[in-house]
Amino acid sequence: NAGVTQTPKFQVLKTGQSMTLQCAQDMNHEYMSWYRQDPGMGLRLIHYSVGAGITDQGEVPNGYNVSRSTTEDFPLRLLSAAPSQTSVYFCASSSDNGGTEAFFGQGTRLTVV
Amino acid sequence: DAKTTQPTSMDCAEGRAANLPCNHSTISGNEYVYWYRQIHSQGPQYIIHGLKNNETNEMASLIITEDRKSSTLILPHATLRDTAVYYCIPRGGSSNTGKLIFGQGTTLQVKP
Repeated sequence: NAGVTQTPKFQVLKTGQSMTLQCAQDMNHEYMSWYRQDPGMGLRLIHYSVGAGITDQGEVPNGYNVSRSTTEDFPLRLLSAAPSQTSVYFCASSSDNGGTEAFFGQGTRLTVV
Repeated sequence: DAKTTQPTSMDCAEGRAANLPCNHSTISGNEYVYWYRQIHSQGPQYIIHGLKNNETNEMASLIITEDRKSSTLILPHATLRDTAVYYCIPRGGSSNTGKLIFGQGTTLQVKP
């Protein structure tokens, strides 16, 4: 049982490049979300999804796109990377709205130069 | 989303109980109180959650006041490996999004 898997673990991008951070879960969870964590700060919600085909914006959505075509996958797309997007990105999933815990991946450390 | 207030930092002696308070006075009636911790830059780790009653598991105990406006996470015998940032997060309720809104948390330093 892999849980929540994020790839890649590390990435360096040049300003203006685009890329997709992958998140996959094998627990058949309906709820998934993306967070970013800047140095010394708490996690901030970027986008979230309550099921396949349904996504919504979180606290800091600008510069990021998401889609949810399957229950298992929730990719995060950086359209045109900027140095301000240098951060650690975490993906999470849960089976319901609040009664059970959310599981987190181990993160993707992204550096934009 | 309900707001939370936690101390910025706390120290605890190894082997002693660590009591981490959280104020969540705007929590709605059907929101759970969740506690997560983050060690270094690893993914947040679930500790415990509760709605109204006190809860205990193998990691910790959660005490929720009767008016649900505050709670306390108790690590009964803190070890050096419990040094981490601890987050108290209301979650659930009528929003039906499953999302977690993190505050700044409490940095717990367990000292030998």
